Amino acid sequence: EAGVAQSPRYKIIEKRQSVAFWCNPISGHATLYWYQQILGQGPKLLIQFQNNGVVDDSQLPKDRFSAERLKGVDSTLKIQPAKLEDSAVYLCASSLGPGQSSYNSPLHFGNGTRLTVT
Amino acid sequence: DQQVKQNSPSLSVQEGRISILNCDYTNSMFDYFLWYKKYPAEGPTFLISISSIKDKNEDGRFTVFLNKSAKHLSLHIVPSQPGDSAVYFCAASRGSSNTGKLIFGQGTTLQVKP
Repeated sequence: EAGVAQSPRYKIIEKRQSVAFWCNPISGHATLYWYQQILGQGPKLLIQFQNNGVVDDSQLPKDRFSAERLKGVDSTLKIQPAKLEDSAVYLCASSLGPGQSSYNSPLHFGNGTRLTVT
Repeated sequence: DQQVKQNSPSLSVQEGRISILNCDYTNSMFDYFLWYKKYPAEGPTFLISISSIKDKNEDGRFTVFLNKSAKHLSLHIVPSQPGDSAVYFCAASRGSSNTGKLIFGQGTTLQVKP
């Protein structure tokens, strides 16, 4: 099966600019996640979608970050305006979702978008 | 508040020997634990998991041990191979139906020397 697709792979912007990341999950995966991984740290969940609804966005800095998953498939994550501390790898992941066999349905991650804010 | 901790940033072992990666957690509500492996410029890939109702799970060369009383888990790789060189993340979640909300440790970089 095709994996989780993300683009772009790399992005360099200046602080206060805006940026958007795109994710296409594995076909049939109802649940989609955006994680932020700062250098030297583990991934941190930003937002979780179930189909096209938000399940958890408690750790999303909503004053500057936004995300949407129209039609319950692709998703975009936007940062506006960017700050220096937003420099990180943004990982998209997907899973079959609740009700499935969780032990056989771990998260599948994309290769991420590395964002550098200067 | 670091709920999942991997206190060893790096580990170096000789090919063929055992690699032991450790992870500690603080939240007693966690009931499902996973290990992910990450190569440079790639996303993490699932390696092995364990439910809190078990104390051991084995998959080929990889075994995960869970000590609930100590809130500690470990990943054993035997024998270690150069291709195992990667960053290993421990992760935990609450509720088996919600394994997407993973809390990750900081990662341990494993180097397996030929």
